[in-house]
This record gives sequence, structure tokens and C-alpha cells, in this order.
Amino acid sequence: AAGVIQSPRHLIKEKRETATLKCYPIPRHDTVYWYQQGPGQDPQFLISFYEKMQSDKGSIPDRFSAQQFSDYHSELNMSSLELGDSALYFCASSLSGNYGYTFGSGTRLTVV
Amino acid sequence: GNSVTQMEGPVTLSEEAFLTINCTYTATGYPSLFWYVQYPGEGLQLLLKATKADDKGSNKGFEATYRKETTSFHLEKGSVQVSDSAVYFCALALRNQGGKLIFGQGTELSVKP
Repeated sequence: AAGVIQSPRHLIKEKRETATLKCYPIPRHDTVYWYQQGPGQDPQFLISFYEKMQSDKGSIPDRFSAQQFSDYHSELNMSSLELGDSALYFCASSLSGNYGYTFGSGTRLTVV
Repeated sequence: GNSVTQMEGPVTLSEEAFLTINCTYTATGYPSLFWYVQYPGEGLQLLLKATKADDKGSNKGFEATYRKETTSFHLEKGSVQVSDSAVYFCALALRNQGGKLIFGQGTELSVKP
């Protein structure tokens, strides 16, 4: 069965650089969520999209932005990277009204 | 606000021991409740869920019952295996808040042979 695909799996960037993370949801899923998980921490909600429109916003820094495209894939753009941005970034997708969230394997971002 | 509190880890058990990981929640509405498992270096996998009071979620020998009166969703397993070693997250979601998941802090389980 198709799963949520995230790319890249690993990313190393220097401070003040920019990173783009991609998420390809399960086909026909109309909602995408982004979460950030710091080392030894629980996942924190960043932002979500429903039908290509932002539907909710959590603790996402102003340096981060995200969008969902016409093919439903989503990208998380992170600028002016800081050491504290080093974390696992998860994407999840679901069909609205159905709590069948499926998470991707995550992108591990390391800022050096 | 809405939040989830889990018992602190790490929890260390011998193989075939009984497992309980406590989870309580605070929510402004009627949440759906979840347990996710994260194996080392991997993503989050849904273990089980319950969407209304008194529902019991179960999977792979794990069970949890949605207790509205005690606002709890404790995870149990009768006989753990070494392969159950992982971090377990309790989470809630509220439909009127876009369905985003709010996680507890996670409980690390280590099962020794």
C-alpha cells in the first residue's frame, strides 16, 4: 500500500542556510500535517493544509513557511537555519473527517 | 488548554512481564485518543485508537480503554517481548481544532530478555 513519502531522509545544513523538505501524501488524502520532533522530545505540530489551503498553524517560526501544491504534495521551507532547528520533521496525511493519520518516515535535519 | 500527560520513563521490564503506561488528558471537547509507537530511528506508527468514551482500542496484544470519567487512556499489554522496546506516545485530536495531534512526552520502554 502507498505510504507517505518524505524527502530527503537526511539533510545537513549550515547555520543561516535554507532547507526545503518535501512530503507526498497518500493518494486521495486531502489533509497534510507537519510536525517537528527535537531530540528526546514529543512531536510538536507546526502547520496543516486542507485541500491546498492552510487550515491550522502551530508553533511554527516565522522563518518557516509551507505550502501544498495542486498535486497535494507539500513543502516546508526553512530559512536562516539555527542550530536549534536540528530535529526530525514528520509529515502526516489523512482524509478529512477520518482519524486515519499516516506518518512518513521523517526527514532528519542537522544544522551545523 | 488541551494536553496529554504520560508516565515518565524509561520503563524497564523483563520479557513476558505485564506492561502499563499511564496516560491522562485534558481537553476542551471530546477528543479521539491514540497510542503511537516509535522504534529507534524510525517514524511514528499508529498502535491503536479510540474515538469515544468506553471504546477499547487493541492491536498486537496492546489495549487501551477510553475512560472519560478519569480522562485516561492507559496502555496495557499482558506479556511484553524484547521487540516491544520502543518509545510510546499517547496523543489526542479534536475535530473542532483541525484534527491535529497533541502528543504526550513519550515513554521509553526497554524489555530485557
